[in-house]
This record gives sequence, C-alpha cells and structure tokens, in this order.
Amino acid sequence: NAGVTQTPKFQVLKTGQSMTLQCAQDMNHEYMSWYRQDPGMGLRLIHYSVGAGITDQGEVPNGYNVSRSTTEDFPLRLLSAAPSQTSVYFCASSDTPRKQYFGPGTRLTVT
Amino acid sequence: LAKTTQPISMDSYEGQEVNITCSHNNIATNDYITWYQQFPSQGPRFIIQGYKTKVTNEVASLFIPADRKSSTLSLPRVSLSDTAVYYCLVGDINTGGFKTIFGAGTRLFVKA
Repeated sequence: NAGVTQTPKFQVLKTGQSMTLQCAQDMNHEYMSWYRQDPGMGLRLIHYSVGAGITDQGEVPNGYNVSRSTTEDFPLRLLSAAPSQTSVYFCASSDTPRKQYFGPGTRLTVT
Repeated sequence: LAKTTQPISMDSYEGQEVNITCSHNNIATNDYITWYQQFPSQGPRFIIQGYKTKVTNEVASLFIPADRKSSTLSLPRVSLSDTAVYYCLVGDINTGGFKTIFGAGTRLFVKA
C-alpha cells in the first residue's frame, strides 16, 4: 500500500492564480480531510469528507473548495491564491475518526 | 469542541521517561483522546488513543483519570529519535470527530 499520497510536493503560485492540490489513498478509507499548518503552529482543518459525494467545512474553509467523486481521491482547490495561504498542506484519511493517516504534505508558497 | 492545553515545550535526556500532560476540561461524553507525533517536514503520525483509565501499546502509555479532564502521554526510555512535536486531540467517536483542534502541541527535545 502506498498509503496517502499528495502531489505536488512543492508549489509556488502568484497571487490570484488557482490550482488543485491532489490527494489519493489506497486504503479504501471513507474519511478524508485537508489540513494546513503554518510555521510553528498546529494543524487547522480546512475541509473533510465522510464518503464519496459528502463534504463539510472545517475550521478554516474560506478560499478553498473540495469535492469527493471517488473514495480514493480528495482534491483541494485554491480558487484565487493569496499570500495568507502560504502554508504546508496535509491530507489525511481514516476508516474511522479515531486514527488518521497523514500524507507527506505539499509546501505551497504564494508570492 | 473540546479545547486542549499542553505545555509548549519539554526537554529530556536519553533513557528517561517523559510524561506530557494535556488538559481538556470541557471534554464531552462521546469524546476520545488521541495523541499524534510529528517530525519536521512530515505529517503527524498516530501514537495512541483512549477513552478512560489506561491504554498501552508498543510505543507509549496513556493515562486518563476518572473525570477525564486531563490525560498524560508517557514515553518510556526516550531516545534522540523521539524529538518531535506531540499533539493531544479530543474528538467525538462519530463523524464529528473530524472537527478536532490540533493546537500548537508540545515540542519535546531529547538530549544525549
């Protein structure tokens, strides 16, 4: 099993650009989520999904969209990048809310 | 959502036992307590989870008193490789468990 994979590993965007961070898992987990982590801080929940076709907002959803068309994939879309979105983004999956498996992260810089 | 409070940082030496306490005064009946470990430039990794009393696995022990308003992660005989940030999370066992707050965590630094 590859576990949770994220692409790209690094990305630089200009203000106003849009992009999609990819997340995939091969563990057949129903639950998937996106977090952001700013330097020296803990993780903050952006969006999460409890199954294909079902998503909900987390703590900091503004500026981000998600969809869940398959069990395996949970992409995160930045609609119009802003410098405040410079962060490390982690995707996680789980078969229950109890134990989440995290991906390696995507380091995003918005200039 | 139950909020947690942990020490910002702790220092230890190799071979010592380390206890990290987390306070969660507003824990709800359905909430579980979960601890994660995070190394630099990596995603968090699950360590242990519990509801009450004591839980032990090959990595750590988790002590939860009867009132469940706090919990203590115990790492036996730490090594340099245990230097990391440790997060205490409290969340519902159902879908609402995803609305958990990581907080800033506790930075553990293990010295030789």
